[in-house]
Amino acid sequence: QKEVEQDPGPLSVPEGAIVSLNCTYSNSAFQYFMWYRQYSRKGPELLMYTYSSGNKEDGRFTAQVDKSSKYISLFIRDSQPSDSATYLCAKSGGSARQLTFGSGTQLTVLP
Amino acid sequence: GAGVSQSPRYKVAKRGQDVALRCDPISGHVSLFWYQQALGQGPEFLTYFQNEAQLDKSGLPSDRFFAERPEGSVSTLKIQRTQQEDSAVYLCASSFIAGVGDTQYFGPGTRLTVL
Repeated sequence: QKEVEQDPGPLSVPEGAIVSLNCTYSNSAFQYFMWYRQYSRKGPELLMYTYSSGNKEDGRFTAQVDKSSKYISLFIRDSQPSDSATYLCAKSGGSARQLTFGSGTQLTVLP
Repeated sequence: GAGVSQSPRYKVAKRGQDVALRCDPISGHVSLFWYQQALGQGPEFLTYFQNEAQLDKSGLPSDRFFAERPEGSVSTLKIQRTQQEDSAVYLCASSFIAGVGDTQYFGPGTRLTVL
């Protein structure tokens, strides 16, 4: 079992839809949670960063962490075609400085 | 520069050739990471530097992989005797300080294809 499991997708939604992306993790040492967005043939770029359980909102994006169930979500409201990308959840913590990534969910927002 | 840069962006190698991939981190960033991203997968950790010291190389898949950062800035990932299974995108990331959970900024990657 991988340390970070992510719904693989692909996911295709119409413009304006609410998108829900999800990950689970198995190592309680993970303390920091991130969502990265990766456009085709580009490097990942940080989208959201959270430390504690609860919600964090930034514009159309909301990151949700539930440490009791080891579950992480990213919600995108009013999705746009420019949101079409691969979304990667990532964690770090314990003694490890490196990030542990999920396998990514490919999202397509249709105009 | 404004961000992490990597070169070359694309590299095609014949099986058995040696390759060298370069990473220029954001100026002043202490930490530098290398990741390997296979097609359709998330990045996987290879190795980590704090300044010039290689503190973690637990993710390097074999002794054919070698990384260095001699002056604490530019880093090179070298792969000797390349194999087809080495085909992947190699990503470099840097972060300003050396703590757990620091934001990592990624370069565009080098896409390596081994024929």
